[in-house]
Amino acid sequence: GAGVSQSPRYKVAKRGQDVALRCDPISGHVSLFWYQQALGQGPEFLTYFQNEAQLDKSGLPSDRFFAERPEGSVSTLKIQRTQQEDSAVYLCASSFGGIGETQYFGPGTRLLVL
Amino acid sequence: GENVEQHPSTLSVQEGDSAVIKCTYSDSASNYFPWYKQELGKRPQLIIDIRSNVGEKKDQRIAVTLNKTAKHFSLHITETQPEDSAVYFCAAETNAGKSTFGDGTTLTVKP
Repeated sequence: GAGVSQSPRYKVAKRGQDVALRCDPISGHVSLFWYQQALGQGPEFLTYFQNEAQLDKSGLPSDRFFAERPEGSVSTLKIQRTQQEDSAVYLCASSFGGIGETQYFGPGTRLLVL
Repeated sequence: GENVEQHPSTLSVQEGDSAVIKCTYSDSASNYFPWYKQELGKRPQLIIDIRSNVGEKKDQRIAVTLNKTAKHFSLHITETQPEDSAVYFCAAETNAGKSTFGDGTTLTVKP
């Protein structure tokens, strides 16, 4: 079946703009994760949903970052008033059940803030 | 919070040789340890994983070992092939669902 998809694949924003990044998980997957991956580094955890409940948002860098998954399927990561340090690849992953299950990653959204 | 250290950061081997990548973690609550392969510009893909109640797991040319007491785990790739060249990441996940990744190892397999 279809894997995890993300859109847009690339986004260029001017500093101060708001952006919204979308993740479509694999159908039926309960858990959804957002990660930020800077160039040459490993993914860094941002937040985790189980169905529509956001169980952990401890990795969100600031209150400019907000994530939601209102119907327990599609998720949106919103970044307000973007800064240059927000430039990174934002990865979404989903897993069938809860903790300790294989995470399937999307292709990522590459965000460049000028 | 959890801290995962991964070594080496780069590794170059001849085709057919073995490659070993090591990771240590700090949080004893971590109980799931996946390994991912990421090719340039692509998404991370799971290659093998191990849970804290198991000491070793093997899948063809790939094996992972876990020493829970010492808080370290290792990836072993035997009979390396040029297509194994990629960046490899280890990760440690707690029972709260939060994963911490290592900084990656760039593996180059020379034909």
